[in-house]
Amino acid sequence: AQSVTQLGSHVSVSEGALVLLRCNYSSSVPPYLFWYVQYPNQGLQLLLKYTTGATLVKGINGFEAEFKKSETSFHLTKPSAHMSDAAEYFCAVRPKPGGGADGLTFGKGTHLIIQP
Amino acid sequence: GAGVSQTPSNKVTEKGKYVELRCDPISGHTALYWYRQSLGQGPEFLIYFQGTGAADDSGLPNDRFFAVRPEGSVSTLKIQRTERGDSAVYLCASSLTGETQETQYFGPGTRLLVL
Repeated sequence: AQSVTQLGSHVSVSEGALVLLRCNYSSSVPPYLFWYVQYPNQGLQLLLKYTTGATLVKGINGFEAEFKKSETSFHLTKPSAHMSDAAEYFCAVRPKPGGGADGLTFGKGTHLIIQP
Repeated sequence: GAGVSQTPSNKVTEKGKYVELRCDPISGHTALYWYRQSLGQGPEFLIYFQGTGAADDSGLPNDRFFAVRPEGSVSTLKIQRTERGDSAVYLCASSLTGETQETQYFGPGTRLLVL
């Protein structure tokens, strides 16, 4: 079975500082990888995903993530935090065909707090 | 176009009652997913439909939970004999064809409270 670990249930950064949200997965075969964001009282929205090709993936709102197979990681970064980035962030994986259940497996989420 | 919609947005029921939660996916999307999100947790996969059929129901916790999608569009998640532990936000998502790498588009969820 696959699992996703997000280190830090809460991360606090100052406005303008680097954002780093960590995600590690456990899978014998690298799955497809996703980051979703959930703003207060809103549904989950895709930030970015990695399926194949370049391991550095750029998403919306200035976020990017890098797939590192050797570290089984897919950490999310943004060079300069903005107040509007305050939200809950979820890392998720989905196995490649034949690799397991068809749904996304999510981490527990990281609440990003932006300090003015 | 319109996104995924879910009704009701909130549902309060008593332990032992039956509830139905509805999901209307993005028009033309053949794949539909149900997830459950408990407080402080990430969403947990319940069931995946491809068209009218349940392609993967491995996430349904027990036989009190059942879902249908009779015409390949709207889906209903049905919970019998509700328990307090069923209280959660139930999320629905859809994607165009169900291919593994596709983006799943989520609805706003139905918040279920079992008293």
